[in-house]
Amino acid sequence: DQQVKQNSPSLSVQEGRISILNCDYTNSMFDYFLWYKKYPAEGPTFLISISSIKDKNEDGRFTVFLNKSAKHLSLHIVPSQPGDSAVYFCAASGISTSGTYKYIFGTGTRLKVLA
Amino acid sequence: DGGITQSPKYLFRKEGQNVTLSCEQNLNHDAMYWYRQDPGQGLRLIYYSQIVNDFQKGDIAEGYSVSREKKESFPLTVTSAQKNPTAFYLCASSIMRSSGNTIYFGEGSWLTVV
Repeated sequence: DQQVKQNSPSLSVQEGRISILNCDYTNSMFDYFLWYKKYPAEGPTFLISISSIKDKNEDGRFTVFLNKSAKHLSLHIVPSQPGDSAVYFCAASGISTSGTYKYIFGTGTRLKVLA
Repeated sequence: DGGITQSPKYLFRKEGQNVTLSCEQNLNHDAMYWYRQDPGQGLRLIYYSQIVNDFQKGDIAEGYSVSREKKESFPLTVTSAQKNPTAFYLCASSIMRSSGNTIYFGEGSWLTVV
């Protein structure tokens, strides 16, 4: 039961353009959402989060949008830079279908920013 | 600097051996976690602990064991019962295991069975 899905395994974007990474979830009990960036053989680095009471959160070049009715969130990176090339994971947290508090991670999207 | 330290970075295990991965945090976080990452998959929860001397199984706890004798430390033992232990292991922590709290990760440990 994959409660958090990142349907695009990879994405290529030209430097300076916008990168949009998408994430869908199925459990309406999730109330806090996070995005992480990961380089090979390193731990994920926290980027930005959003509470379910908001629909947008911005931090520099990174903006996360939450559409609760669609159970969808997205991460926008503007402008994209070559150093943004990494794997991006979304995560959702809240009461899971098993009744316990959980953090559920997607499978990741590999972003490649072309110079 | 505050953070989460995992060691060793690379570890090789022979068939039938138990190995222990270390995780130490100086963030004063109450909750600690162990995740496993396999190629093409998301992070899967092995064990978590919300307070000292207490821990719960995650989604894939079989073949693993943990202890939480100190707030700062949450070692993971990969036992010989774990049939497919080759993976990238991630330790993480958060202030609490509740709404609105961010999980922070260590640098990870690679375990390879030889």
